[in-house]
Amino acid sequence: SQQGEEDPQALSIQEGENATMNCSYKTSINNLQWYRQNSGRGLVHLILIRSNEREKHSGRLRVTLDTSKKSSSLLITASRAADTASYFCATAYNRGTSYGKLTFGQGTILTVHP
Amino acid sequence: DTAVSQTPKYLVTQMGNDKSIKCEQNLGHDTMYWYKQDSKKFLKIMFSYNNKELIINETVPNRFSPKSPDKAHLNLHINSLELGDSAVYFCASSADIPNTGELFFGEGSRLTVL
Repeated sequence: SQQGEEDPQALSIQEGENATMNCSYKTSINNLQWYRQNSGRGLVHLILIRSNEREKHSGRLRVTLDTSKKSSSLLITASRAADTASYFCATAYNRGTSYGKLTFGQGTILTVHP
Repeated sequence: DTAVSQTPKYLVTQMGNDKSIKCEQNLGHDTMYWYKQDSKKFLKIMFSYNNKELIINETVPNRFSPKSPDKAHLNLHINSLELGDSAVYFCASSADIPNTGELFFGEGSRLTVL
C-alpha cells in the first residue's frame, strides 16, 4: 500500500507567498525525503531528513518531521513562478519488505502565479 | 553531462509488441532502479539492482525483465505490451540503498501502447 500521502493535492498561490505541503505516512522510517518534479521531467531531490531529526533547512526550504504523528511538512518561503512543480515526499525504511525501497506519495501540485 | 540518461524519451507502440528502454548512469553509483509513474503521477518501484545483482523485484508481471550488464547500466525489456503498460518509466540511481541517501532520476521514458 502507498506509504506517503500528501496534502493538499493541489496548491495555487501568488509569487512571494509561502507554500506549505504536508505528508503523512503509515510505518516506521529511517528517513523521509522530498523531491520536485517539473512537468515532463524527472524527479529532483530537494532535502532529506532523518528519523532522529525534527527540522532541516536548505535555502528557501524548511522541512519538519514529527515521527509521533508520522507526518512531515515542506515549507517553501517567498515562492517564485519557477517553483511551480509537483512535490513528492518519499520514505525509506531498511527492514523487512521495505528494505532498499523509497516509497513515494502521490504528490502536491504547486502552481505559483507571477 | 547528464548523470542518469535513459532512451528513448518517447515510445509509441502497438499492443503485443516487445520494447526496451535503456538507462545509463555516470555517477559511479552502485544501485540502480526502475520506477513506473502512472497517469495519476503515482510512482512505484519495479526493480532495483546493486552491483549488477537484483535486490528488489516488486510484484511486476514477468513480461518485464530488467538486465544489468554492468553497474552503470540497467535496461528494461517489456514483452507482449498491454494497454495498461502505458506510463512514464523512470530510471534512477543512488550511491547506496536509499535508506541513507538520495536518488538521482533520469528524465523518464513515456511509453504509449495503442
